[in-house]
Amino acid sequence: DSGVTQTPKHLITATGQRVTLRCSPRSGDLSVYWYQQSLDQGLQFLIQYYNGEERAKGNILERFSAQQFPDLHSELNLSSLELGDSALYFCASSPRTSQNIQYFGAGTRLSVL
Amino acid sequence: GQNIDQPTEMTATEGAIVQINCTYQTSGFNGLFWYQQHAGEAPTFLSYNVLDGLEEKGRFSSFLSRSKGYSYLLLKELQMKDSASYLCAVTPGGSYIPTFGRGTSLIVHP
Repeated sequence: DSGVTQTPKHLITATGQRVTLRCSPRSGDLSVYWYQQSLDQGLQFLIQYYNGEERAKGNILERFSAQQFPDLHSELNLSSLELGDSALYFCASSPRTSQNIQYFGAGTRLSVL
Repeated sequence: GQNIDQPTEMTATEGAIVQINCTYQTSGFNGLFWYQQHAGEAPTFLSYNVLDGLEEKGRFSSFLSRSKGYSYLLLKELQMKDSASYLCAVTPGGSYIPTFGRGTSLIVHP
């Protein structure tokens, strides 16, 4: 158990819908990272937050947005869902003393039908 | 940009040794990671190399050559539970954001 908690574990929804994925980082970690992993793309970085502020942005679509709250949990919002958004979404956090090392949550498996 | 190459799939026998290679081209270099990921599960951290040379941790060792843009993960005394995908990831200069390779699927058979 990495200490990073993600909910829900599974999500099934329809095209055009909107969903919210939730992540609680390890106790004491200020950084949260979101990744998307699909079969044909590998693990792709989406966005990073540090202590409530956006720190880095990767290949995140405009239909996707995220935020980190004062209690440091983070949410990833996916809207106008398409079939191609079906993937595993991982959240990771890193310790202040070693920000290079990331600890991953168990992921949310999103299926868009 | 970043480019990371690793073999798609490897097979090995229980009890044997296997070496998984990774080559990379990045703009600057901060560090190289290896992660293990079982199917449908989270990647788990295995090793982190910043300087050239071999880092040993139990049955797993990781090697880095920055001048060659090359790393390998060595797994000894293979066990069936080592069947998993092994992800090589590199953080470029001035960044904490790793770029991941597509992963090497290792199949360990009896």
